Amino acid sequence: GAVVSQHPSRVICKSGTSVKIECRSLDFQATTMFWYRQFPKKSLMLMATSNEGSKATYEQGVEKDKFLINHASLTLSTLTVTSAHPEDSSFYICSASSGDGGETQYFGPGTRLLVL
Amino acid sequence: SQKIEQNSEALNIQEGKTATLTCNYTNYSPAYLQWYRQDPGRGPVFLLLIRENEKEKRKERLKVTFDTTLKQSLFHITASQPADSATYLCALRGSTLGRLYFGRGTQLTVWP
Repeated sequence: GAVVSQHPSRVICKSGTSVKIECRSLDFQATTMFWYRQFPKKSLMLMATSNEGSKATYEQGVEKDKFLINHASLTLSTLTVTSAHPEDSSFYICSASSGDGGETQYFGPGTRLLVL
Repeated sequence: SQKIEQNSEALNIQEGKTATLTCNYTNYSPAYLQWYRQDPGRGPVFLLLIRENEKEKRKERLKVTFDTTLKQSLFHITASQPADSATYLCALRGSTLGRLYFGRGTQLTVWP
């Protein structure tokens, strides 16, 4: 099956710093990648959809200047949490879809962010 | 807006029995319905996808049904094992490239 990786798996940072999370599709080209956030015992909340080479589409209520998304290649998307604050602490998960009739989204293992 | 309900937050069954999880939806006509497994601290793992024109799909001990009239999907795990214990998520999708809408999940515990 298709494999999606995320790096880092967990990160602890100080308040005010920026954190970059990488999402890679390892064995397929992902025309579309999605970024989710998940709180404990809650379902996944879609933050944004990114298509390779174009600007991301953010869901209502998600600050685009706070959560910068770049999808520069067909195998890599990055999410940068800028000027992180404790309330940004969460589990961030990406998923990728090949788009060429690929109906399934494959998820990365997630990144646990803790902002002190 | 779309609403997706998974029958219960938690389901406990004995090893060897069949686990049946329910996913109901309203205000939506999905082209695809997918089931994922999620373990604590991990991303969801894809299990099965069923299309709107399919009634049933099987994969090893897993079976999914899709009733677009009832707006319901049933997910069955036969001969359940303690290793099947996890949270199972139902997700709907309107098109090939469209976003997924997730239910809140059902936490399944299989006890020996």
